[in-house]
Amino acid sequence: EPEVTQTPSHQVTQMGQEVILRCVPISNHLYFYWYRQILGQKVEFLVSFYNNEISEKSEIFDDQFSVERPDGSNFTLKIRSTKLEDSAMYFCASHPTRSNEKLFFGSGTQLSVL
Amino acid sequence: AQTVTQSQPEMSVQEAETVTLSCTYDTSESDYYLFWYKQPPSRQMILVIRQEAYKQQNATENRFSVNFQKAAKSFSLKISDSQLGDAAMYFCAITTRDKLVFGAGTILRVKS
Repeated sequence: EPEVTQTPSHQVTQMGQEVILRCVPISNHLYFYWYRQILGQKVEFLVSFYNNEISEKSEIFDDQFSVERPDGSNFTLKIRSTKLEDSAMYFCASHPTRSNEKLFFGSGTQLSVL
Repeated sequence: AQTVTQSQPEMSVQEAETVTLSCTYDTSESDYYLFWYKQPPSRQMILVIRQEAYKQQNATENRFSVNFQKAAKSFSLKISDSQLGDAAMYFCAITTRDKLVFGAGTILRVKS
């Protein structure tokens, strides 16, 4: 089965630093997402992206966050100035249509902010 | 806005027995999908089963089945013949158009 690939699997950074989390969605997919899960809590929606623009974002997704699809394959999440509370597992996901029949999740990037 | 409630923070089941995980939801939409995701210790999100709201027939996937009660907005997951590999966090989720909304999760422990 095709996979969504996320790199790195674990990233450690200092508070105030910028981080970029990378994702390669499945090649024929058109809708892309970032979700976040703080340890021991539920998975939360951050942002959805379609046709090279954000289609929806949550309250969590403030000005410190941005997303980009710089080429035909990568989908990135940038956190400009990380805070301790940004420590979480970040999941990228994609699907081919808007029907939401099945969302394909990557294996996640664990971000640790020290 | 959609909400999902999982009232059981933790459940235990004996190996080979059956367990049911509860989920209720709220939405004003008529067209939506419901899902159960499994999250093992690796923290990968694995789709277990999904249900289209317009289908009355309950979805089944091998040992996993759901009891979908649309009027009651209830979507429980039944795991039959539980195996040690079923031990994980289970999340119920709903989607209407564009995003998944998850419940808080239920930790399932399987005893040998």
